[in-house]
Amino acid sequence: KNQVEQSPQSLIILEGKNCTLQCNYTVSPFSNLRWYKQDTGRGPVSLTIMTFSENTKSNGRYTATLDADTKQSSLHITASQLSDSASYICVVTFSGYALNFGKGTSLLVTP
Amino acid sequence: EAQVTQNPRYLITVTGKKLTVTCSQNMNHEYMSWYRQDPGLGLRQIYYSMNVEVTDKGDVPEGYKVSRKEKRNFPLILESPSPNQTSLYFCASSLSSDHLYEQYFGPGTRLTVT
Repeated sequence: KNQVEQSPQSLIILEGKNCTLQCNYTVSPFSNLRWYKQDTGRGPVSLTIMTFSENTKSNGRYTATLDADTKQSSLHITASQLSDSASYICVVTFSGYALNFGKGTSLLVTP
Repeated sequence: EAQVTQNPRYLITVTGKKLTVTCSQNMNHEYMSWYRQDPGLGLRQIYYSMNVEVTDKGDVPEGYKVSRKEKRNFPLILESPSPNQTSLYFCASSLSSDHLYEQYFGPGTRLTVT
């Protein structure tokens, strides 16, 4: 079974600070990697999607990076806001069809 | 507005009483999927459908049924619910099954089985 591991499990930061979330995956062949943001009790919303050939993708204050050689991705949040408090989920697609979800990182931004 | 809708949003039921959670999308998407989300376990796929009349098991299909008679609808059926099916359920859809396109999630259905 392909594995997607996210770290840290949870994180607390002060408003205005930056943070970086990690996603490591095993096995291949890799198709694409997505980051989702999930507010409590709501459905996940896509932030970025990257294919094998891309190593960075931005969406406003969110920047995702991908190192296919080390099988690592990170999501960097710049100048955090209270509304960034959510769970962030990494999803890796293998062989085009199989979706593998990480368990998510819970981020709390405090005033 | 492009969206995935689910009904009901909240449901409390008793063990063994058959129930159906509806899911509908208005984006003409081919691929639809059901997930359950439990604390500490993340999202797990129950069933998915690549197109009308084509369904397949995900990671945790036991105790669930689905059907895809129309492109826009993908209901989740629990024939005999049990307490271990208490969970938050999400329906999702995307343009195609190769996952190159964004997957849109519904608002979720919180199910409690007593």
